[in-house]
Amino acid sequence: GAVVSQHPSWVICKSGTSVKIECRSLDFQATTMFWYRQFPKQSLMLMATSNEGSKATYAQGVEKDKFLINHASLTLSTLTVTSAHPEDSSFYICSATRDSLDAEQYFGPGTRLTVT
Amino acid sequence: QQQVKQSPQSLIVQKGGISIINCAYENTAFDYFPWYQQFPGKGPALLIAIRPDVSEKKEGRFTISFNKSAKQFSLHIMDSQPGDSATYFCAASYPQGGKLIFGQGTELSVKP
Repeated sequence: GAVVSQHPSWVICKSGTSVKIECRSLDFQATTMFWYRQFPKQSLMLMATSNEGSKATYAQGVEKDKFLINHASLTLSTLTVTSAHPEDSSFYICSATRDSLDAEQYFGPGTRLTVT
Repeated sequence: QQQVKQSPQSLIVQKGGISIINCAYENTAFDYFPWYQQFPGKGPALLIAIRPDVSEKKEGRFTISFNKSAKQFSLHIMDSQPGDSATYFCAASYPQGGKLIFGQGTELSVKP
């Protein structure tokens, strides 16, 4: 149990366009979902925390108008990268927790975004 | 401010050997310390985790040693196998399911 999926697994988009990444908890209801960004050979950096039905909380330095997060249901969160630029090319990973008191995060397989 | 420091950055171990990765944290409010394994192009997967009220936890070939007074914890991989070659991340989180703070990662290579 506790499976998290992401779609798409990889995406290529042109500079200036927007791209949406979906994160789904397949067999549990996720009270909280997290979005991370990971550059090659680097660690995971938290971008934002989202709770169903409320606005996301963004990490310091992350532009909320550029990285739009919607947590519309207990099983789905989306990250939209608006007006993408080549420097946004990265590996985006989501995670989810089953309980607000549960420290364990279940990670998705990641989405590779390449902006040309 | 880097709150979780991980070392070494890379590690090469012979098959059958012991791999040891260390982490140190600063904030005593952390109460959950997981280790993740990540293969290239994949999301991280939880290996093993510990709470500060326990000094050691073992699951199969993986052991976490935790030193609360020193604010350090380490991962030991016994009988390391080539299939263990991956990047390992330690992390720490605040109480009540707070955000995870990751270490910098260790790239482990197990030579046959």
